[in-house]
Amino acid sequence: QVTLKESGPVLVKPTETLTLTCTVSGFSLSNARMGVSWIRQPPGKALEWLAHIFSNDEKSYSTSLKSRLTISKDTSKSQVVLTMTNMDPVDTATYYCARTHSDGYNLDYWGQGTLVTVSS
Amino acid sequence: QSVLTQPPSVSEAPRQRVTISCSGSSSNIGNNAVNWYQQLPGKAPKLLIYYDDLLPSGVSDRFSGSKSGTSASLAISGLQSEDEADYYCAAWDDSLNVVVFGGGTKLTVL
Repeated sequence: QVTLKESGPVLVKPTETLTLTCTVSGFSLSNARMGVSWIRQPPGKALEWLAHIFSNDEKSYSTSLKSRLTISKDTSKSQVVLTMTNMDPVDTATYYCARTHSDGYNLDYWGQGTLVTVSS
Repeated sequence: QSVLTQPPSVSEAPRQRVTISCSGSSSNIGNNAVNWYQQLPGKAPKLLIYYDDLLPSGVSDRFSGSKSGTSASLAISGLQSEDEADYYCAAWDDSLNVVVFGGGTKLTVL
């Protein structure tokens, strides 16, 4: 079955760089019609899409966060990595990764999410 | 301020029907598929409707989606207490080249 699991630090300091890894199983990152997105949700707030990457290495980034985000994949390891630079307390959120279909951009399988707190 | 506009909350009695609206523009809803997600308290979101009106396998047919122009709607019939959740619409935006989400709607079953 399809699963995704986020991993990374639970606590980062302001100005540090956050690196999150999404490990997938049940599908291949080389599948032409599928990719992985990152989405975050601050406590008590709405979902915010961050970025996605597809098998052909096509990438898109949130307009407001583009300068701070980098998404990449390691197909052999079935992993997608998101880095976010210059972390701030407002970046405190649960970060999710989700399988994404290239036609329609629906996110059909989600990880459980990982809460990242930014604090000194 | 979200690109897609949803009412912050809706409420209805059990066994009744409720609709949640999602308003956008020609660059998102008007030209691309709308997807809906359900987020139960403390849980990860779940795909509820895709391509405007299609149900993923395993989703109850009490849920339905529709779209007209630059607006979309999610309808839930035969409301049950277990439907209490936050609901989000989302779509690709051709102008911004990003996925945009609505601000979410909290459904309360009275």
